[in-house]
Amino acid sequence: EVQLLESGGGLVQPGGSLRLSCAASGFSFSSYGMNWVRQAPGKGLEWVSGISDSGVTTKHADSVKGRFTISRDNSQNTLFLQMSSLRADDTAVYYCAMRTSGGTVFWGQGTLVTVSS
Amino acid sequence: EIVLTQSPGTLSLSPGERATLSCRASQSVSSNYLAWYQQKPGQAPRLLIYGASSRATGIPDRFSGSGSGTDFTLTISRLEPEDFAVYYCQQYGSSPWAFGQGAKVEV
Repeated sequence: EVQLLESGGGLVQPGGSLRLSCAASGFSFSSYGMNWVRQAPGKGLEWVSGISDSGVTTKHADSVKGRFTISRDNSQNTLFLQMSSLRADDTAVYYCAMRTSGGTVFWGQGTLVTVSS
Repeated sequence: EIVLTQSPGTLSLSPGERATLSCRASQSVSSNYLAWYQQKPGQAPRLLIYGASSRATGIPDRFSGSGSGTDFTLTISRLEPEDFAVYYCQQYGSSPWAFGQGAKVEV
């Protein structure tokens, strides 16, 4: 059974840093591209970052470029999102997600990041 | 990068009526990897449709998806009270993924 379990969210001050993790199980993690998606309170869904199966290719939304870095450790079946220079508008639930071999989309349960003084 | 535009923004209907939501992509969606989600207040998005027309596990057959290329449709054949919610489309065929801005189905 595919499982994605996010962790690392919490309260952080503006300008601070946080590292999110997504522990994957139930599939061959190193064979799949992975993504981070977020949803701010009362707002729509926003793709944040994506990484190829090998980790060589990464992409970030313009809203986080230069501040967030996506990475992965295929030996530990874990996806990361390093977030720095955090702003109030980064407050959101962050989800890791993937496209499965069956052509569907699978999401974790999400982790809440709150940026506030 | 693909941009998804949903219409209408709000749909005002009554229980038992048919709802038709549109999602238009700025360029062709690879392999028709187009998903639809339902979201209610305080809840995470719920996957309804993937691959443009396949229902996710446990989704009632009153929900159906259609379309290909750049034009996609979510149809709810007869609205139940629990179907009044916000609906999002998403393309996941190419990177970066993209989401529509959402469409609200209200009573």
